[in-house]
Amino acid sequence: EDQVTQSPEALRLQEGESSSLNCSYTVSGLRGLFWYRQDPGKGPEFLFTLYSAGEEKEKERLKATLTKKESFLHITAPKPEDSATYLCAVLNSGYALNFGKGTSLLVTP
Amino acid sequence: SQTIHQWPATLVQPVGSPLSLECTVEGTSNPNLYWYRQAAGRGLQLLFYSVGIGQISSEVPQNLSASRPQDRQFILSSKKLLLSDSGFYLCAWRGDRDNEQYFGPGTRLTVT
Repeated sequence: EDQVTQSPEALRLQEGESSSLNCSYTVSGLRGLFWYRQDPGKGPEFLFTLYSAGEEKEKERLKATLTKKESFLHITAPKPEDSATYLCAVLNSGYALNFGKGTSLLVTP
Repeated sequence: SQTIHQWPATLVQPVGSPLSLECTVEGTSNPNLYWYRQAAGRGLQLLFYSVGIGQISSEVPQNLSASRPQDRQFILSSKKLLLSDSGFYLCAWRGDRDNEQYFGPGTRLTVT
């Protein structure tokens, strides 16, 4: 059975303090690993898709990387507006995304 | 550009009452459509998906049902709500480029 585990559950950073969020997965036949950002009371916002080990993608202060067993979302010099819940999901041979429970990030000034 | 709409935004319903949530997508044709539920402290749970008009697949047995009467319209229904149906309901459509899914703004349902 596919599993997606995100850690830590919650993370508090000072503005400018870089860190990484982890997404560990077990899936048969990975067809993609996805990162989303979700603000309170809103739908998740798509950030990145990664397909193969070694792949990296960047967007502003965020960089996502992928290995055969996990993905990292690196946040460089975060700002308070980066505060949100970050969700990881995997796609196997079916149609559905299998989501982790997310990491709640709070960046304080 | 594509846009996805959901309504209502919030809903408070008594136990045993019916439910109808609507989702529409603009700017694309024949999209794959999905209904998810997000309960407090839990991840997103896929409820239904549809690859075309009248084609519905259920992922979780429950008292909810889904229908797709038009190409870009997806409806989530229930005849009698349970307390456990409370949650944040999200509709999504799948993009063509990377299999990514794009989510609507969601409906917050509280069953009392």
